[in-house]
Amino acid sequence: GAVVSQHPSRVICKSGTSVKIECRSLDFQATTMFWYRQFPKKSLMLMATSNEGSKATYEQGVEKDKFLINHASLTLSTLTVTSAHPEDSSFYICSAREYSGRGNEQFFGPGTRLTVL
Amino acid sequence: DQQVKQNSPSLSVQEGRISILNCDYTNSMFDYFLWYKKYPAEGPTFLISISSIKDKNEDGRFTVFLNKSAKHLSLHIVPSQPGDSAVYFCAAKPSNYGQNFVFGPGTRLSVLP
Repeated sequence: GAVVSQHPSRVICKSGTSVKIECRSLDFQATTMFWYRQFPKKSLMLMATSNEGSKATYEQGVEKDKFLINHASLTLSTLTVTSAHPEDSSFYICSAREYSGRGNEQFFGPGTRLTVL
Repeated sequence: DQQVKQNSPSLSVQEGRISILNCDYTNSMFDYFLWYKKYPAEGPTFLISISSIKDKNEDGRFTVFLNKSAKHLSLHIVPSQPGDSAVYFCAAKPSNYGQNFVFGPGTRLSVLP
C-alpha cells in the first residue's frame, strides 16, 4: 500500500512553545490529508481535513488558531501546535487520500507522540 | 451520537481459534467500510474493506461480513495469532468521495499463546 511518513515521531517541548509536525505521502499525491488525535485508550478523533492549496476544515471544538494546518503541496501537510500546553499532549496521526485510483482508502502515518511539559 | 459503535472494548482469544470483532452503525448512508489495526504508539494500518454491494470480503486470514439490513459488520480472524493482538477500528463512510470516515471506538484484541 501507499506510504505516509510523519516527522518527528516523538517530541517533548516546554509549555508555551510551538511544535510543527510534518506529514508526507511518499509514493502518491494526496489531494486530501487528515489530522487525527488519539487520547489514551480512546478512538481516533478527526481534528481537521485539508485539501491541497486551500484552507483546512476544522471539526467542531478544534481551535484553528491553535492547531495550524498547512497543505502546501500534494505530498506535504504540516500541523503546528501553537503555544502548546500539557493538555495538548497526545498522539497525533495524519492520514492521506490519493486523488484517484485507490478509491476510498486512507493511508495513515505512524503518528507523533507530543509531550508538553 | 456515535454513528459507528464497537460495543466490545476488549476481546481475548486463544491462539489458533477464531476472533470475531463486531461493529454496528446507525447511518444508513454509509456504504463503504474499513477495518484498521493499530499497535500502541503507531498509526493505524489498513486491513480489509467492504462496500455495500458485497456481503463478504476475504483476504487471507481476515474476512469481513456485512449485514446491511442489520447495519452490522464483523471481522473474522482465523486462525488467530499472537501478533494479531492490537486495537481494531471499524470505519465507515458514505459514497460521497468528499465525506470523511467515521471511526468506531476500537476493540482491543488479545490473542493468548
